[in-house]
Amino acid sequence: DAKTTQPPSMDCAEGRAANLPCNHSTISGNEYVYWYRQIHSQGPQYIIHGLKNNETNEMASLIITEDRKSSTLILPHATLRDTAVYYCIVRAFSGGGADGLTFGKGTHLIIQP
Amino acid sequence: DSGVTQTPKHLITATGQRVTLRCSPRSGDLSVYWYQQSLDQGLQFLIQYYNGEERAKGNILERFSAQQFPDLHSELNLSSLELGDSALYFCASGKRQNTEAFFGQGTRLTVV
Repeated sequence: DAKTTQPPSMDCAEGRAANLPCNHSTISGNEYVYWYRQIHSQGPQYIIHGLKNNETNEMASLIITEDRKSSTLILPHATLRDTAVYYCIVRAFSGGGADGLTFGKGTHLIIQP
Repeated sequence: DSGVTQTPKHLITATGQRVTLRCSPRSGDLSVYWYQQSLDQGLQFLIQYYNGEERAKGNILERFSAQQFPDLHSELNLSSLELGDSALYFCASGKRQNTEAFFGQGTRLTVV
């Protein structure tokens, strides 16, 4: 799986959009970008994933650059409950789920009141 | 609530002992993953089972073993415990055709 680079921490004001960047310059054509988050000591929570098109769900939007070398996770209206460590993970789609996710250090997002 | 159930939530045991952690996956999920999270190592993938068979191994020690039963629940066995095995152990489950993994709330193991 390709390696990802994320800033170690970020602040965002409550109610504003939180934009979390991720670099994955060695991504291969068959690799997806996944985002998970972990609120302190809880189990990681799946947020969203995408291949090359932008994706949106009830939690967030994922913007992937045209060359696929970077992406941005957008939380449109951040709340205090969004304070968590956010992990960007790149991995090939595998129908049988052949291996586990590789979590890096992620970005600690702190939402300020 | 992810639908993945882990028991027990907390476990305190002495060095040299053996413990078993249990995981019940979400209904319909065939894959079960085990992860270890310690303060200095972050989230580490240990092992994956799919429909009862071992599918992938990560950084799992030889003192650790796991299995997935016919009813799809899984157990992680940790033996000859050391102080450094103190960590949060997470189980996750997923369906066959996608790789979104849904995590349980973890078992906090403290070895004293």
